[in-house]
Amino acid sequence: DAKTTQPPSMDCAEGRAANLPCNHSTISGNEYVYWYRQIHSQGPQYIIHGLKNNETNEMASLIITEDRKSSTLILPHATLRDTAVYYCIVRVRGGSQGNLIFGKGTKLSVKP
Amino acid sequence: NAGVTQTPKFQVLKTGQSMTLQCAQDMNHNSMYWYRQDPGMGLRLIYYSASEGTTDKGEVPNGYNVSRLNKREFSLRLESAAPSQTSVYFCASSEPRGGTTGELFFGEGSRLTVL
Repeated sequence: DAKTTQPPSMDCAEGRAANLPCNHSTISGNEYVYWYRQIHSQGPQYIIHGLKNNETNEMASLIITEDRKSSTLILPHATLRDTAVYYCIVRVRGGSQGNLIFGKGTKLSVKP
Repeated sequence: NAGVTQTPKFQVLKTGQSMTLQCAQDMNHNSMYWYRQDPGMGLRLIYYSASEGTTDKGEVPNGYNVSRLNKREFSLRLESAAPSQTSVYFCASSEPRGGTTGELFFGEGSRLTVL
């Protein structure tokens, strides 16, 4: 599975959109981009995933560049409860499930 | 529907003691994983089991053993605990087959301190 690069931390004002970038320049054609978040010291929680099209669900939107070398997770109206560490990982969805690399993620702080 | 359940949630060991962390999932998933997370760090994969009866090493397997007891349960054993194994341990499961999201479901973590 390819590795990802994320900024270590970001701040966002409550009510504003939070845009979290992720670089995955070595992504393979059959690898999906997944986003998870970890609130405080709880177990990570799945947010969204995509292959090449933009995706949206009730939690967030995922924008993947046309060359698939980077993506952005968008929380449209960040709340204080969105303060967490956000992880971007790339993996093959239906194949081997080995060695999923989480990295250190981006610590998002949502401020009043 | 409990999801992924880990026991114990907290444990303190002395150097050299052994213990087993238990993990069970009730989602009928084929794949299960054990991760560790040290302060300020991301998750690092210790071992994983792609399906019942198989286990494979991850990024940091030294000092650990695992058993995939059945489809539901995946245990992690520390034979001779060391202070470097002080960490939070997370178990996860996923259903990798087509038609699913392939997402990982995590337990709430087991906090282990080795003195």
